[in-house]
Amino acid sequence: DQQVKQNSPSLSVQEGRISILNCDYTNSMFDYFLWYKKYPAEGPTFLISISSIKDKNEDGRFTVFLNKSAKHLSLHIVPSQPGDSAVYFCAADHPSGSARQLTFGSGTQLTVLP
Amino acid sequence: GAGVSQTPSNKVTEKGKYVELRCDPISGHTALYWYRQSLGQGPEFLIYFQGTGAADDSGLPNDRFFAVRPEGSVSTLKIQRTERGDSAMYLCASSLTSGDNEQFFGPGTRLTVL
Repeated sequence: DQQVKQNSPSLSVQEGRISILNCDYTNSMFDYFLWYKKYPAEGPTFLISISSIKDKNEDGRFTVFLNKSAKHLSLHIVPSQPGDSAVYFCAADHPSGSARQLTFGSGTQLTVLP
Repeated sequence: GAGVSQTPSNKVTEKGKYVELRCDPISGHTALYWYRQSLGQGPEFLIYFQGTGAADDSGLPNDRFFAVRPEGSVSTLKIQRTERGDSAMYLCASSLTSGDNEQFFGPGTRLTVL
């Protein structure tokens, strides 16, 4: 049972245009959402996050939107740059005892074409 | 400062052998997590440490997997009687406290069981 789904395994975008990466979740207990970026041979690096009490969070070229009623979030990158080419993972977080446990989607490979 | 480090970066072993994977978290981070990532999938939670104790080991697939963190810093993931299905990228992450949403990942250990 995949609680976090990224239905697009890949996305290609022209440099300078907007990249939109999508993520759906099923567990209403998730209260925090994160996006991680992963380059080959490196571990995932944190990109941006959003609390479930908000519907938008912006950080420079990156904006995350959350639609709780639809259990959907998206990451917008504008303008896209070739260096943004990487695998992007959506992750959802909920308290589990004393810890917080991340549940990841399967990732979307973004390719930004120069 | 230094990030999360993991050794070895690659490990090739034969079916039935015992392996140890090491994680050195960011200095001062009390929470440490192990994840396993199979090809084409996102990281999946294995076990979480708060200090020296395993606070949540619900993600360990079976009793062949075990992890320790004896001094509350470095952690070792141990796999006995390895099977081909154990082949994956093993990722370690740490966070300052267990309540922090953002986890910092190491580069991972690629385990291949022949």
